[in-house]
Amino acid sequence: DIQMTQSPSTLSASVGDRVTITCRASQSISNWLAWYQQKPGRAPKLLVYKASILQSGVPSRFSGTGSGTEFTLTISNLQPDDVATYYCQQYKTYIFGQGTKLEIK
Amino acid sequence: QVQLVESGGGVVQPGGSLRLSCEASGFTFSAFDMHWVRQAPGKGLEWVAFIKYDGDDKLYAASVVGRSTISRDNSKNILYFEMNSLRAEDTAVYYCAKDSYYDNSGSDYWGQGTLVSVSS
Repeated sequence: DIQMTQSPSTLSASVGDRVTITCRASQSISNWLAWYQQKPGRAPKLLVYKASILQSGVPSRFSGTGSGTEFTLTISNLQPDDVATYYCQQYKTYIFGQGTKLEIK
Repeated sequence: QVQLVESGGGVVQPGGSLRLSCEASGFTFSAFDMHWVRQAPGKGLEWVAFIKYDGDDKLYAASVVGRSTISRDNSKNILYFEMNSLRAEDTAVYYCAKDSYYDNSGSDYWGQGTLVSVSS
């Protein structure tokens, strides 16, 4: 099975910072990768699909890059509302990364 | 607007079985692939099962294969998930999720989840 390794597991940054979350696939998944945001007690929300396409309605502060086995989600100008756990998911066999919990300093 | 409403959760004894439902509305249910995803308390997301729009193709996670069945009734707009031989590690919130219009483009709508607790 294709495993996803997401890092870091936790991230603390200040309002206005730029943060990057990385997801590595154990084998090539082309651009079949999605990123989700999940706030406590809520269902996940799709942010980015096909590695770099922003879902409708998602702020342009969010961006995704990568292909093959290495992918990144970048949040620019971090806002308090961005506090959440972020997950990657590959769309070959649908496995999720372990998640990155983002906190504000 | 798109709505996905799960039901069927509750407390189940170890070794028991569950049947979850997900009622879909606000979109052409029969045209979209669907998933079940679960989340154990305080843990990350775990993909559980996939079913193609017409029900002809199904896929299961290793943790549930052989003891679970995903199905759908496109005439009633309902997605199902059945699992037996339940164990403590199956305790989780179970979400149904709708795939995006474009192939391999993530799940763009999710239900609110239904909690399954496996306990004696």
